[in-house]
Amino acid sequence: AQSVTQPDIHITVSEGASLELRCNYSYGATPYLFWYVQSPGQGLQLLLKYFSGDTLVQGIKGFEAEFKRSQSSFNLRKPSVHWSDAAEYFCAVGATSGTYKYIFGTGTRLKVLA
Amino acid sequence: GAGVSQSPSNKVTEKGKDVELRCDPISGHTALYWYRQSLGQGLEFLIYFQGNSAPDKSGLPSDRFSAERTGGSVSTLTIQRTQQEDSAVYLCASSTSGIRTDTQYFGPGTRLTVL
Repeated sequence: AQSVTQPDIHITVSEGASLELRCNYSYGATPYLFWYVQSPGQGLQLLLKYFSGDTLVQGIKGFEAEFKRSQSSFNLRKPSVHWSDAAEYFCAVGATSGTYKYIFGTGTRLKVLA
Repeated sequence: GAGVSQSPSNKVTEKGKDVELRCDPISGHTALYWYRQSLGQGLEFLIYFQGNSAPDKSGLPSDRFSAERTGGSVSTLTIQRTQQEDSAVYLCASSTSGIRTDTQYFGPGTRLTVL
């Protein structure tokens, strides 16, 4: 069965520091991969997605993610975090056949220190 | 253009009551999804509508949950005889055509509290 693991429930970084949020998935083939951000009181906003091709994906707000097939990972990175990046981040997997639903991880809550 | 809208934004109800949650997808989007976000949990898929096709109801947790989509646009999620474990944020999303590479756009959610 498909599953998504985000091992870090909470992460705290200082403003200007680099960030990496981890995501591991379980799927029989290469799935479609997504990162969403949820700010307080807001809906989820897509940061980036991976379907195929170049394994380093650029997204909005200066985020990028790297797909590593050998590690079944799709980690999200940002070189320099801004206070406005404080939010909850969700990794999601979409199947390439069959169901159309996404499987989401449990999220990582990011706190940014001034 | 307008995004996905949901109403009400908050709903408090008593155990055993029925509730209806509404979702207005982005105009022209043919695919619509409902998810549930419980405290400390990820998003849990509930149901998926695509055009006139039969909906994928595989995520509905019990027969107390049902959803419909009228005229291929607005959707209503109904929970009958609510239980305290139904307390969660219910999120609706829509996408252009429901193909797997379409981005799902999410609404702000309805926070349901069952007392």
